[in-house]
Amino acid sequence: ETGVTQSPTHLIKTRGQQVTLRCSSQSGHNTVSWYQQALGQGPQFIFQYYREEENGRGNFPPRFSGLQFPNYSSELNVNALELDDSALYLCASSQGGTAKETQYFGPGTRLLVL
Amino acid sequence: AQTVTQSQPEMSVQEAETVTLSCTYDTSESDYYLFWYKQPPSRQMILVIRQEAYKQQNATENRFSVNFQKAAKSFSLKISDSQLGDAAMYFCAYRSASGSARQLTFGSGTQLTVLP
Repeated sequence: ETGVTQSPTHLIKTRGQQVTLRCSSQSGHNTVSWYQQALGQGPQFIFQYYREEENGRGNFPPRFSGLQFPNYSSELNVNALELDDSALYLCASSQGGTAKETQYFGPGTRLLVL
Repeated sequence: AQTVTQSQPEMSVQEAETVTLSCTYDTSESDYYLFWYKQPPSRQMILVIRQEAYKQQNATENRFSVNFQKAAKSFSLKISDSQLGDAAMYFCAYRSASGSARQLTFGSGTQLTVLP
């Protein structure tokens, strides 16, 4: 069984640029959730995709957008990067559609905005 | 909105001893799930244990057990026979059993140090 993978592991961008982060879900999972974890804090929910549709969104502006593909992998896109976007971005996959689903996390992408 | 509070930013324990990490949460819902995740320096969030709110029995996974007090909205994690590999940041998380997104709401974490 393949776990959740994310790419790249690290990324450096400058303010105003755009970035795309990628996530491959665990085998058999159809739901991907994205979280932002600032240094020294707990992760904050960005949004979730279930069967290629956005299924819920946290308190993040529209410049954070995403996609889910037919193979259930996902992308997180951030436009007009700001310094505060510097964080660890975590992707979690789960078998959605049931209340008992458990989210399994990837290793994260560390984004630094200069 | 649900909130999760971890009031111990840092804890330390001697190897082979027992330590308890505290977590409280606030919700008006009756059906939900609670989790403890471990995040070592490698950054990957690893599920430690899960508790279903409708189950009165406390969850146990090997050396890890919880004390779930639903009325008090308390969910503590006990680690027995602590090992050096247990050193990590520990996050308590809440997830509703209703709604479509079922996102996790995390606390701010407790950094656990295991002393040899």
